[in-house]
Amino acid sequence: EVQVLESGGGLVQPGGSLRLSCVASGFTFSSYAMTWVRQAPGKGLEWVSGISTSGGTTYYADSVKGRFTISRDNSKNTLYLQMHSLRAEDTAVYYCVKSRLSSAWSAFDIWGQGTMVTVSS
Amino acid sequence: QSVLTQPPSASGTPGQRVTISCSGSTSNIGSNTVNWYQQLPGTAPKLLIYSNNQRPSGVPDRFSGSKSGTSASLAISGLQSEDEADYYCAAWDDSLNSAVFGGGTQLTVL
Repeated sequence: EVQVLESGGGLVQPGGSLRLSCVASGFTFSSYAMTWVRQAPGKGLEWVSGISTSGGTTYYADSVKGRFTISRDNSKNTLYLQMHSLRAEDTAVYYCVKSRLSSAWSAFDIWGQGTMVTVSS
Repeated sequence: QSVLTQPPSASGTPGQRVTISCSGSTSNIGSNTVNWYQQLPGTAPKLLIYSNNQRPSGVPDRFSGSKSGTSASLAISGLQSEDEADYYCAAWDDSLNSAVFGGGTQLTVL
């Protein structure tokens, strides 16, 4: 079965850091771009960051640029999101998503169940 | 304020046809393909339409997508109660160098 499974969410104080992980299975992980999408409580979807198959190309939303870093380890079929300087507005469910093609940057055919990040003192 | 504009709500009765619009600009919808997602209550989103009008395997042909210029639409025919969900459009934006989502449309089946 094709799936992705996120972990690493939790409660963190403003200004703190957190690293999310996403383990993929059932498909050739290294052949697809991967992305993080988040959804604040009761709000819509927000694209956060995307990474190419090799990891050589990364993209970030302006809201997280300079604070978040996306990376991947194709040998471990794992996607990461390192988050620093967290703010209350970063509170959201973070979804790990697989691109439908190697470089389809807005067509996501596999979604994880999400991991909740809460930034609060 | 989302880069792609969708109506916040839509409604219809069972069997009806409803459409949901998604308005953008030349840097996103005007230059790239549009994708649509369905999010049922309490679940992760699901890809409904990709490349403007293509349905992934398993998506009923009651769902269809179209694009013209800087706007796109999702049409649902033969509306069913299980179609009650939030719907989002998405596209790549060449100016922002990021993907953008619409604000979402909550569909109610009356």
